[in-house]
Amino acid sequence: DAKTTQPPSMDCAEGRAANLPCNHSTISGNEYVYWYRQIHSQGPQYIIHGLKNNETNEMASLIITEDRKSSTLILPHATLRDTAVYYCIASTDSWGKLQFGAGTQVVVTP
Amino acid sequence: EPEVTQTPSHQVTQMGQEVILRCVPISNHLYFYWYRQILGQKVEFLVSFYNNEISEKSEIFDDQFSVERPDGSNFTLKIRSTKLEDSAMYFCATGEVVTGLDRTTYEQYFGPGTRLTVT
Repeated sequence: DAKTTQPPSMDCAEGRAANLPCNHSTISGNEYVYWYRQIHSQGPQYIIHGLKNNETNEMASLIITEDRKSSTLILPHATLRDTAVYYCIASTDSWGKLQFGAGTQVVVTP
Repeated sequence: EPEVTQTPSHQVTQMGQEVILRCVPISNHLYFYWYRQILGQKVEFLVSFYNNEISEKSEIFDDQFSVERPDGSNFTLKIRSTKLEDSAMYFCATGEVVTGLDRTTYEQYFGPGTRLTVT
């Protein structure tokens, strides 16, 4: 699976959009980009995933560049409850194994 | 909304003792996983389980570890002889396959975890 690179931390103001970048320059054509988050030692929570098209669900939007070497997770209106570590994972594993990195610690401030 | 549950929430055991961590998966899920997270470190994959057998395991998952679905509903992780370094948060996850027009992907849902403390 491709290695992903994320900034270690970022701050975001409550009510504003949070844009979380992820680099995956070695991603292969059949690898999906998954995003999970972990709120203070709770179990990781699935957010969204995509292959090459942009995706949106009730939690977030995922923008993947045309060359697929990077992506951005967008939380449209960040709330204090969105404070968490966000993980970007590239995976093609046929059994769904997830390889977590260090992620980005996002702190939403009032 | 269905969720994965885990028991106990906290387990304290002495080194060398056996522990069993339990998980109740989401009912229609067919893929099961255990992960662990040592305090302050990354979440690490341990094992995946499908169709009543292990489909993949990591180097961490040695002979001291085993998994099973004893009654078709619960999913358990057993550590036969615990070591101090087994102290961690253990997360169970269950997954479903999402099949679309051009893709098959996995969405995993994690339980709240069991904090294992080995003394």
